Amino acid sequence: NAGVTQTPKFQVLKTGQSMTLQCAQDMNHEYMSWYRQDPGMGLRLIHYSVGAGITDQGEVPNGYNVSRSTTEDFPLRLLSAAPSQTSVYFCASTEIGQLHGYYGYTFGSGTRLTVV
Amino acid sequence: KNQVEQSPQSLIILEGKNCTLQCNYTVSPFSNLRWYKQDTGRGPVSLTIMTFSENTKSNGRYTATLDADTKQSSLHITASQLSDSASYICVVIASNDYKLSFGAGTTVTVRA
Repeated sequence: NAGVTQTPKFQVLKTGQSMTLQCAQDMNHEYMSWYRQDPGMGLRLIHYSVGAGITDQGEVPNGYNVSRSTTEDFPLRLLSAAPSQTSVYFCASTEIGQLHGYYGYTFGSGTRLTVV
Repeated sequence: KNQVEQSPQSLIILEGKNCTLQCNYTVSPFSNLRWYKQDTGRGPVSLTIMTFSENTKSNGRYTATLDADTKQSSLHITASQLSDSASYICVVIASNDYKLSFGAGTTVTVRA
Protein backbone atom coordinates (compact mmCIF):
# COMPACT_ATOMS: atom_id res chain seq x y z
CA ASN A 1 0.00 0.00 0.00
CA ALA A 2 1.97 2.99 -1.28
CA GLY A 3 -0.59 5.72 -0.44
CA VAL A 4 -0.32 8.80 -2.65
CA THR A 5 2.61 8.86 -5.07
CA GLN A 6 3.74 12.02 -6.81
CA THR A 7 6.27 12.28 -9.60
CA PRO A 8 8.62 13.93 -10.25
CA LYS A 9 9.93 15.18 -6.88
CA PHE A 10 11.80 18.08 -8.46
CA GLN A 11 11.45 19.82 -11.81
CA VAL A 12 12.92 22.90 -13.48
CA LEU A 13 11.06 24.35 -16.45
CA LYS A 14 11.70 27.22 -18.78
CA THR A 15 8.98 29.83 -19.21
CA GLY A 16 6.48 28.66 -21.79
CA GLN A 17 7.21 24.97 -21.47
CA SER A 18 4.47 22.52 -20.62
CA MET A 19 4.58 19.52 -18.33
CA THR A 20 2.43 17.11 -16.37
CA LEU A 21 2.72 16.41 -12.66
CA GLN A 22 1.65 12.87 -11.90
CA CYS A 23 -0.41 11.74 -8.91
CA ALA A 24 -1.50 8.18 -8.22
CA GLN A 25 -3.19 6.58 -5.23
CA ASP A 26 -3.85 2.91 -4.51
CA MET A 27 -6.49 3.33 -1.79
CA ASN A 28 -9.51 3.48 -4.10
CA HIS A 29 -10.26 7.02 -2.91
CA GLU A 30 -12.94 8.86 -4.84
CA TYR A 31 -11.76 12.33 -3.82
CA MET A 32 -8.46 13.65 -5.16
CA SER A 33 -7.11 17.18 -5.21
CA TRP A 34 -4.14 19.34 -6.12
CA TYR A 35 -2.71 22.13 -3.96
CA ARG A 36 0.14 24.55 -4.27
CA GLN A 37 2.11 25.73 -1.26
CA ASP A 38 3.91 29.05 -1.30
CA PRO A 39 5.99 30.62 1.51
CA GLY A 40 3.87 32.35 4.15
CA MET A 41 0.61 31.10 2.67
CA GLY A 42 -1.67 28.18 3.39
CA LEU A 43 -2.11 25.45 0.85
CA ARG A 44 -4.34 26.66 -1.94
CA LEU A 45 -6.63 24.37 -3.87
CA ILE A 46 -6.02 24.25 -7.63
CA HIS A 47 -8.42 21.56 -8.83
CA TYR A 48 -10.25 18.65 -7.28
CA SER A 49 -12.19 15.59 -8.35
CA VAL A 50 -14.93 13.62 -6.62
CA GLY A 51 -14.68 10.64 -8.96
CA ALA A 52 -13.57 9.42 -12.36
CA GLY A 53 -14.75 11.78 -15.07
CA ILE A 54 -15.63 14.56 -12.60
CA THR A 55 -13.38 17.53 -11.94
CA ASP A 56 -13.90 21.05 -10.62
CA GLN A 57 -11.92 24.20 -10.07
CA GLY A 58 -10.52 25.29 -6.78
CA GLU A 59 -9.22 28.62 -5.59
CA VAL A 60 -6.34 29.10 -8.09
CA PRO A 61 -7.09 27.11 -11.27
CA ASN A 62 -5.71 29.47 -13.92
CA GLY A 63 -2.84 28.00 -15.92
CA TYR A 64 -3.59 24.43 -14.86
CA ASN A 65 -5.65 21.62 -16.36
CA VAL A 66 -6.68 18.30 -14.87
CA SER A 67 -8.48 15.15 -15.95
CA ARG A 68 -9.63 12.05 -14.09
CA SER A 69 -9.96 9.09 -16.42
CA THR A 70 -9.42 6.50 -13.66
CA THR A 71 -9.99 6.40 -9.91
CA GLU A 72 -6.26 5.95 -9.31
CA ASP A 73 -4.74 8.80 -11.32
CA PHE A 74 -5.17 12.57 -11.23
CA PRO A 75 -2.53 14.35 -13.35
CA LEU A 76 -2.02 18.11 -13.23
CA ARG A 77 -0.97 19.81 -16.47
CA LEU A 78 0.82 23.12 -16.78
CA LEU A 79 0.00 24.38 -20.26
CA SER A 80 2.56 27.20 -20.55
CA ALA A 81 4.71 27.51 -17.45
CA ALA A 82 5.22 30.93 -15.89
CA PRO A 83 7.58 32.02 -13.08
CA SER A 84 4.50 32.63 -10.90
CA GLN A 85 3.90 28.89 -10.95
CA THR A 86 7.14 28.23 -9.07
CA SER A 87 5.86 26.44 -6.00
CA VAL A 88 5.59 23.14 -4.19
CA TYR A 89 2.66 21.09 -5.41
CA PHE A 90 0.84 18.51 -3.30
CA CYS A 91 -1.69 15.91 -4.32
CA ALA A 92 -4.08 14.54 -1.70
CA SER A 93 -6.87 12.01 -1.54
CA THR A 94 -9.56 10.64 0.75
CA GLU A 95 -12.78 8.67 0.69
CA ILE A 96 -15.55 11.05 -0.33
CA GLY A 97 -17.79 9.84 2.46
CA GLN A 98 -15.06 10.53 5.03
CA LEU A 99 -14.32 14.09 4.02
CA HIS A 100 -16.59 15.22 6.82
CA GLY A 101 -15.62 12.40 9.13
CA TYR A 102 -12.65 11.05 10.95
CA TYR A 103 -10.78 9.49 8.08
CA GLY A 104 -7.44 11.08 7.40
CA TYR A 105 -6.68 13.03 4.29
CA THR A 106 -3.57 11.50 2.68
CA PHE A 107 -1.00 13.79 1.08
CA GLY A 108 1.74 12.92 -1.34
CA SER A 109 5.31 13.99 -0.65
CA GLY A 110 5.15 16.91 -3.08
CA THR A 111 6.72 18.14 -6.30
CA ARG A 112 9.02 21.15 -6.10
CA LEU A 113 8.69 23.08 -9.37
CA THR A 114 10.89 25.97 -10.45
CA VAL A 115 10.06 27.97 -13.56
CA VAL A 116 12.91 30.12 -14.87
CA LYS B 1 -14.98 33.75 2.22
CA ASN B 2 -13.94 30.94 4.57
CA GLN B 3 -10.70 31.83 6.32
CA VAL B 4 -8.33 30.21 8.76
CA GLU B 5 -5.83 32.34 10.71
CA GLN B 6 -2.98 30.86 12.72
CA SER B 7 -0.72 32.40 15.33
CA PRO B 8 2.06 32.82 15.99
CA GLN B 9 3.69 32.59 12.58
CA SER B 10 6.72 30.96 14.16
CA LEU B 11 8.15 30.15 17.56
CA ILE B 12 11.30 28.74 19.10
CA ILE B 13 11.21 26.63 22.25
CA LEU B 14 13.72 24.67 24.28
CA GLU B 15 13.55 20.90 24.32
CA GLY B 16 11.30 19.65 27.10
CA LYS B 17 9.17 22.81 27.23
CA ASN B 18 5.51 23.15 26.30
CA CYS B 19 3.92 25.40 23.72
CA THR B 20 0.48 26.29 22.39
CA LEU B 21 -0.49 27.18 18.84
CA GLN B 22 -3.67 29.05 17.99
CA CYS B 23 -6.17 28.76 15.14
CA ASN B 24 -9.13 31.06 14.48
CA TYR B 25 -11.56 30.37 11.66
CA THR B 26 -14.61 31.82 9.95
CA VAL B 27 -15.60 28.65 8.08
CA SER B 28 -19.34 28.08 8.18
CA PRO B 29 -21.26 25.84 8.41
CA PHE B 30 -18.63 23.93 10.35
CA SER B 31 -17.95 20.23 9.77
CA ASN B 32 -14.59 19.44 11.31
CA LEU B 33 -11.20 20.88 12.17
CA ARG B 34 -7.90 19.11 11.64
CA TRP B 35 -4.36 19.75 12.76
CA TYR B 36 -1.55 18.56 10.51
CA LYS B 37 2.20 18.33 11.04
CA GLN B 38 4.42 19.04 8.05
CA ASP B 39 8.10 18.21 8.24
CA THR B 40 10.42 20.07 5.89
CA GLY B 41 10.23 18.61 2.39
CA ARG B 42 7.31 16.35 3.23
CA GLY B 43 3.55 16.37 2.80
CA PRO B 44 1.30 17.18 5.79
CA VAL B 45 0.41 14.33 8.14
CA SER B 46 -2.79 14.30 10.22
CA LEU B 47 -2.46 14.76 14.00
CA THR B 48 -6.06 15.22 15.16
CA ILE B 49 -9.56 15.56 13.73
CA MET B 50 -12.39 17.12 15.74
CA THR B 51 -16.04 17.56 14.94
CA PHE B 52 -18.48 20.11 16.33
CA SER B 53 -19.29 18.15 19.48
CA GLU B 54 -15.70 17.52 20.55
CA ASN B 55 -13.80 19.90 22.85
CA THR B 56 -10.51 18.07 23.26
CA LYS B 57 -8.61 15.37 21.44
CA SER B 58 -5.15 14.02 22.16
CA ASN B 59 -2.56 12.20 20.10
CA GLY B 60 0.40 11.39 22.31
CA ARG B 61 2.03 14.64 23.40
CA TYR B 62 -0.28 16.65 21.11
CA THR B 63 -3.59 17.91 22.54
CA ALA B 64 -6.05 19.88 20.42
CA THR B 65 -8.95 21.88 21.79
CA LEU B 66 -11.95 23.27 19.96
CA ASP B 67 -14.42 25.99 20.90
CA ALA B 68 -17.00 25.92 18.12
CA ASP B 69 -18.87 28.86 19.63
CA THR B 70 -15.93 31.24 19.38
CA LYS B 71 -14.50 29.42 16.33
CA GLN B 72 -11.13 28.89 17.95
CA SER B 73 -8.82 25.92 18.27
CA SER B 74 -5.47 25.36 19.89
CA LEU B 75 -2.78 22.73 19.63
CA HIS B 76 -0.72 22.12 22.75
CA ILE B 77 2.61 20.33 22.54
CA THR B 78 3.80 18.86 25.82
CA ALA B 79 7.43 18.12 26.69
CA SER B 80 8.67 19.09 23.26
CA GLN B 81 11.25 17.00 21.45
CA LEU B 82 13.64 17.90 18.65
CA SER B 83 11.46 15.86 16.28
CA ASP B 84 8.57 18.26 16.94
CA SER B 85 10.35 20.86 14.81
CA ALA B 86 7.95 21.28 11.90
CA SER B 87 5.15 23.40 10.52
CA TYR B 88 1.74 22.85 12.12
CA ILE B 89 -1.25 23.53 9.93
CA CYS B 90 -4.87 24.07 10.95
CA VAL B 91 -7.45 22.91 8.39
CA VAL B 92 -11.20 23.48 8.54
CA ILE B 93 -13.91 21.89 6.41
CA ALA B 94 -17.38 23.29 5.86
CA SER B 95 -20.24 20.81 6.02
CA ASN B 96 -21.68 21.99 2.71
CA ASP B 97 -18.44 21.80 0.72
CA TYR B 98 -15.74 19.46 -0.50
CA LYS B 99 -13.00 22.06 -0.14
CA LEU B 100 -10.59 22.37 2.74
CA SER B 101 -9.54 25.76 4.13
CA PHE B 102 -5.92 25.85 5.23
CA GLY B 103 -4.16 28.15 7.64
CA ALA B 104 -0.69 29.39 6.72
CA GLY B 105 0.83 27.31 9.49
CA THR B 106 2.99 27.88 12.56
CA THR B 107 6.63 26.93 12.26
CA VAL B 108 7.92 25.40 15.49
CA THR B 109 11.64 25.09 16.12
CA VAL B 110 12.75 23.02 19.10
CA ARG B 111 16.30 23.64 20.28
CA ALA B 112 18.43 21.44 22.53
